[in-house]
Amino acid sequence: EPEVTQTPSHQVTQMGQEVILRCVPISNHLYFYWYRQILGQKVEFLVSFYNNEISEKSEIFDDQFSVERPDGSNFTLKIRSTKLEDSAMYFCASSGDSSGANVLTFGAGSRLTVL
Amino acid sequence: DQQVKQNSPSLSVQEGRISILNCDYTNSMFDYFLWYKKYPAEGPTFLISISSIKDKNEDGRFTVFLNKSAKHLSLHIVPSQPGDSAVYFCAAIPRGTGNQFYFGTGTSLTVIP
Repeated sequence: EPEVTQTPSHQVTQMGQEVILRCVPISNHLYFYWYRQILGQKVEFLVSFYNNEISEKSEIFDDQFSVERPDGSNFTLKIRSTKLEDSAMYFCASSGDSSGANVLTFGAGSRLTVL
Repeated sequence: DQQVKQNSPSLSVQEGRISILNCDYTNSMFDYFLWYKKYPAEGPTFLISISSIKDKNEDGRFTVFLNKSAKHLSLHIVPSQPGDSAVYFCAAIPRGTGNQFYFGTGTSLTVIP
């Protein structure tokens, strides 16, 4: 069964450092997303990406965040200068194959710990 | 602003009995609803969905009910199995978008053998 893969599974970084989280969405999907879940809180939408541009973003997705699809397979989330409150589980998701655009397939997540 | 609410953080049910997970929403623009299941150290996986034009959708042991007037939906699992033990998230999509999912905080279901 096709799956969304994410790397790394866990990253520990110092406050102020740049972090890049990587995702390989399902190959025939058209929409790509990043969500995050701070421990004990809800899963929060960060950004959606379609046709090589951001289609929606939340208030959380400020100037320190950026996304990129550098090639035909990878979808990355960059956090330019990490803060303590960026510590969370970051989930990549994709959707939009021929069966419809509303079912997200999530990756297993990348746990980010900012010290 | 919590537009999708799951007021029960946890639920325990005996194996073989029915599990009922509840979800309330506040945004009348939501017109598509989904349930996701999440095991520890894994991403959420899609379980079942319902469009606002329906009030019930059934898939095997899982049934989702939608009460639009009450802005309430529920997931019924019957019979419950130990493998159903997971965190269940309700999610909603506003009409006219299709991109931004709004998730509840999740309900942790434990099915006791």
